[in-house]
Amino acid sequence: QVQLVQSGAEVKKPGASVKVSCKASGYTFTNYYMHWVRQAPGQGLEWMGIINPSAGSTTYAQRFQGRITVTRDTSTRKVYMELSSLSSEDTAVYYCASGIARSRFDYWGQGTLVTVSS
Amino acid sequence: QSALTQPPSVSGSPGQSVTISCTGTSSDVGSYNRVSWYQQSPGTAPKLMIYEVSNRPSGVPDRFSGSKSGNTASLTISGLQAEDEADYYCSSYRSSSTLVFGGGTKLTVL
Repeated sequence: QVQLVQSGAEVKKPGASVKVSCKASGYTFTNYYMHWVRQAPGQGLEWMGIINPSAGSTTYAQRFQGRITVTRDTSTRKVYMELSSLSSEDTAVYYCASGIARSRFDYWGQGTLVTVSS
Repeated sequence: QSALTQPPSVSGSPGQSVTISCTGTSSDVGSYNRVSWYQQSPGTAPKLMIYEVSNRPSGVPDRFSGSKSGNTASLTISGLQAEDEADYYCSSYRSSSTLVFGGGTKLTVL
């Protein structure tokens, strides 16, 4: 069955960077787009960006441009999301989600809590 | 980049039908049949319920249906059940090749 397994919770100081990983299994890795979505405590979902694992091409939400980098390693079937210049407003659960089409999220990871605190 | 607009909350009694709206613009909902709906229960990851406006993934009950008119998409849940109580989010593809979510709607089953 399809599984997206994310790395564990992180605690970071303001100004630092965080890198979250997402390992995919149960499907052809390069056939599904991979998105990153975050959810601040008690808030809604926010789309951050997408990678085409086949081509490695990315598209990011405007508000994260310059601060987010999404990469993939096809040999390990992992996708990474790195977010820099963290502030307390980046405290959230970060999800990876894969979709057969770039416009939807068929499968979700379990989420990774990133806490930014001094 | 504004989020899509959803009502903060809706409610209904078991067996009734409820509809959740999702209003966007001509740059997203109005221009693309790429609207999806997700169900999220507390402490869990979202689950895809509807894709491309009105298609249900395998395993999603046919009580869930989707539609679109102009810049507004809708999710209708008929024969409401207690297990349907959750937060619901819409999302849409945008002309900038990005995606956007709605603010979410809390469904309460009375």
